[in-house]
Order: sequence, then structure tokens, then C-alpha cells
Amino acid sequence: QQPVQSPQAVILREGEDAVINCSSSKALYSVHWYRQKHGEAPVFLMILLKGGEQKGHDKISASFNEKKQQSSLYLTASQLSYSGTYFCGTGGNDKIIFGKGTRLHILP
Amino acid sequence: AAGVIQSPRHLIKEKRETATLKCYPIPRHDTVYWYQQGPGQDPQFLISFYEKMQSDKGSIPDRFSAQQFSDYHSELNMSSLELGDSALYFCASSLGGLAVSYNEQFFGPGTRLTVL
Repeated sequence: QQPVQSPQAVILREGEDAVINCSSSKALYSVHWYRQKHGEAPVFLMILLKGGEQKGHDKISASFNEKKQQSSLYLTASQLSYSGTYFCGTGGNDKIIFGKGTRLHILP
Repeated sequence: AAGVIQSPRHLIKEKRETATLKCYPIPRHDTVYWYQQGPGQDPQFLISFYEKMQSDKGSIPDRFSAQQFSDYHSELNMSSLELGDSALYFCASSLGGLAVSYNEQFFGPGTRLTVL
């Protein structure tokens, strides 16, 4: 089942914060977050496995709610390099099912 | 660090022709996945292999087939190409097939297939 991402697109100024949400009607095995720049491969950001888990590095962090039905990606003090499309993906069996993505555009 | 290698990077074919895409996973990775991404779309899972056996199958057309070889590289064979097959094809690899839900997938740079 494909996870639902919101918002579809975000425009920010450099230094502003952003939150991207990923939800499912059923509990997820895991949540994978990727960032993809135009014409390039998706780049792994992080994976969350447990309900209530929070993790992050630098100014990018994510959470997974207790019911494992919603995850949020937090981008703090955004930089120009954060521009791209962010995908969440649900893990299951031997594949990832990606959401439709959130386009993030950072203005200088 | 070694990454996933895909070849060719670009491929142009005519309708009804065949194409073969190759993927070389990160050393010691035993699981390979294929995804198709149309313009402005999310990556769509096609098929995956763990230890040379097909482990899962997604929305892969019957015209496509794939396999994983003894050295863990994989090939995606596409026949009777259609205009709608034009897309970016990504290969990804990970370690530990049966626990794939818990392992990150590393994506290759992709093969851009254009069908004329």
C-alpha cells in the first residue's frame, strides 16, 4: 500500500524549517526516507523501525509515531543543498513502496 | 566507497526492439532491486533478487525479465519495447535479503531508456 506524503511541494527561503509527513492507514514495518535531485539516484537519508523512534543527523531528523502509521521528516535551517524531491518508502518483503514525493525548493 | 554500477547510463531504442540493462551491486551485497521511474513520478518497484533467487515481484510487465547471476550482478531484459517504457531504471542493492525491510537500499545512478 502506497504511503501518502504531504505536502506535495514546499518553497522555502534558506534558513527556514520544513516538515514533510508520510502516513499510512496500516502499521508499517519500517519507514525509509530518501532525497532525490533531478535526474539523479535517490539518496538514503534514514530508516526508522520502531514506534516512537526518533533519529537524525546534522539538521535533518525524523520521527515514527507509536502506532507506526505516520512518520515526519524535519529539515532545520534549510540549506540550498536540501532542494530536491523527498520520498518516504514503506518497507515490506523485499521491496520499498515509495510515496509520490514532496518537492522542496530552497530560495537563497 | 564502492557504489552500485549500472550500464549503460543512456540507451536509445526503437519500438519493438529489445534492451538489456546491467547492474553491479555493492561488494558483499546479496540483494538487488529494480525500479522504474517515469518523468515526475515516484520510483516503481519492478522485481528483486536475493541470493540469485527472485524474492519479490511488483508491476513488471510480462515483456520484461530479470535474473541475478552467481557474482550477484543482475540484468533486466526488456523486449517488444513500447514508447511508455521510456523511463529511468534504477538498480539498488542491500545486504540481508530476508530482512530487507530493515536495511537501507543503495541506488545506482540509473539507466535512462528512451524508446523512439
